[in-house]
Amino acid sequence: EIVMTQSPATLSVSPGERVSLSCRASQSVSSNLAWYQQKPGQAPRLLIYSASIRATGFPARFSGSWSGTDFTLTVSSLQPEDFAVYYCQQYDNWPRTFGQGTKLEIK
Amino acid sequence: VQLEESGGGLVHPGGSLRLSCTGSGFTFSAYALNWVRQAPGKGLEWVSSIFGDDNTTYYAASVKGRFTISRDISKNTLFLHLSNLRADDTAIYYCAKDQTIPPYNYGMDAWGQGTTVTVAS
Repeated sequence: EIVMTQSPATLSVSPGERVSLSCRASQSVSSNLAWYQQKPGQAPRLLIYSASIRATGFPARFSGSWSGTDFTLTVSSLQPEDFAVYYCQQYDNWPRTFGQGTKLEIK
Repeated sequence: VQLEESGGGLVHPGGSLRLSCTGSGFTFSAYALNWVRQAPGKGLEWVSSIFGDDNTTYYAASVKGRFTISRDISKNTLFLHLSNLRADDTAIYYCAKDQTIPPYNYGMDAWGQGTTVTVAS
């Protein structure tokens, strides 16, 4: 099973700041990685797929990148609606596995 | 595209339950469909997937042998039969649709609102 490790668990940031969230795979998943955003009481939403392609409905301030087994989600200028929990998930191999999530909270 | 789960509830340890997920707005038979769960205050855990003309299925190790995924294409309904339930199966269970048709896979782009399963005596 591929283990996805996200860091940090919680990130306290101020609106307007730039932030990067990390996700590391225990082995290669190529670019077969998605990021999801989840707000309290809501289902997750697909945010990024193929490591760097932004899903429909999300603004350009969200971007994804990767190098080897390290994946990064960057938000260029945090807006109040961006404070949420973000999960990465690999879909290169079965079982599909999620990271444990990074919570973005308002500083 | 819409997905709507039902069937959750309170069940005793060792008991069984069947969850349903009805889909609309897409060709139900063409896409891989998934169950993902979230224990209270915890992260997301992929549970199971089904796809293909031969109904290929995959399961997380934590549920293999206890849960069974299936679908009724004529009714656009996905099922998850849960048996031999344990306290750590307590979670919100979401159904989710893959964004693309197999063999391609680009994440899960549509999710239901979830149905809650509570396993307690």
